[in-house]
Amino acid sequence: NAGVTQTPKFRVLKTGQSMTLLCAQDMNHEYMYWYRQDPGMGLRLIHYSVGEGTTAKGEVPDGYNVSRLKKQNFLLGLESAAPSQTSVYFCASSATQRDTQYFGPGTRLTVL
Amino acid sequence: AQSVSQHNHHVILSEAASLELGCNYSYGGTVNLFWYVQYPGQHLQLLLKYFSGDPLVKGIKGFEAEFIKSKFSFNLRKPSVQWSDTAEYFCAAFSGGYNKLIFGAGTRLAVHP
Repeated sequence: NAGVTQTPKFRVLKTGQSMTLLCAQDMNHEYMYWYRQDPGMGLRLIHYSVGEGTTAKGEVPDGYNVSRLKKQNFLLGLESAAPSQTSVYFCASSATQRDTQYFGPGTRLTVL
Repeated sequence: AQSVSQHNHHVILSEAASLELGCNYSYGGTVNLFWYVQYPGQHLQLLLKYFSGDPLVKGIKGFEAEFIKSKFSFNLRKPSVQWSDTAEYFCAAFSGGYNKLIFGAGTRLAVHP
C-alpha cells in the first residue's frame, strides 16, 4: 500500500517551459488536491477534484491546469513556467471532503 | 475571509520542556480541525483531529489538542518534548460553509538536546 506518490521529486525548469506533475493514490479516494508550500505561507490549494472527470479551482489556480482522467491519478500542469512558481508541490487525497487528507512526498520545483 | 492563525512561527525548546502551539480559526459553525506535522525532508502526516465529542483530543507520539469553541481555538500540547519532535507543525480547519481545508502558516519547532 503506497498511499500517495508523486513524480518527479525534483525538477528545474527555465522560464516559459512546461511540465506535468503526476500524483497517484491507491486508497480509492474520491477527493484529490494539489497544494503549493511556500515559506511562511503554509499550504495553499491550487486545484482539487471531487471525483473522476471533475476539477475545480482552489485558492491560487492561475498558471496551472489539472486533469483527473482516472480516479487514482491527478495531474498538475504548468503551461508556461514562471519564477513565481518556484515552490514545493504536494498532492493529497481524502475519502470525503471533511476527512483526513493523506499527502504525497512532494515535488520541489525551481523555475529559473 | 476564512483563515487559520498560528501564533508562533518559530519555537525553540530544550528536551523535556513542555510545548503549547496556538491555533485560532476565523469561522463559526461546524468545523473539523486538524494538526499535521512535517518532519525535515518528509511529507505532512496527521497528528490528530477533532470532529466532534470530547474537546480534548489525543494523537500520536504523546500530542494532544483542546478544542475551545468559545475561543475559536485548537491549541496543540505535549508535556515533554523530545529532540525527534523537531519539525514544522500545521493547524488546519475545514468549514462546511467554505468547503475547503485551510492551513495556517505553520510553526517551526526546534528541540535542542
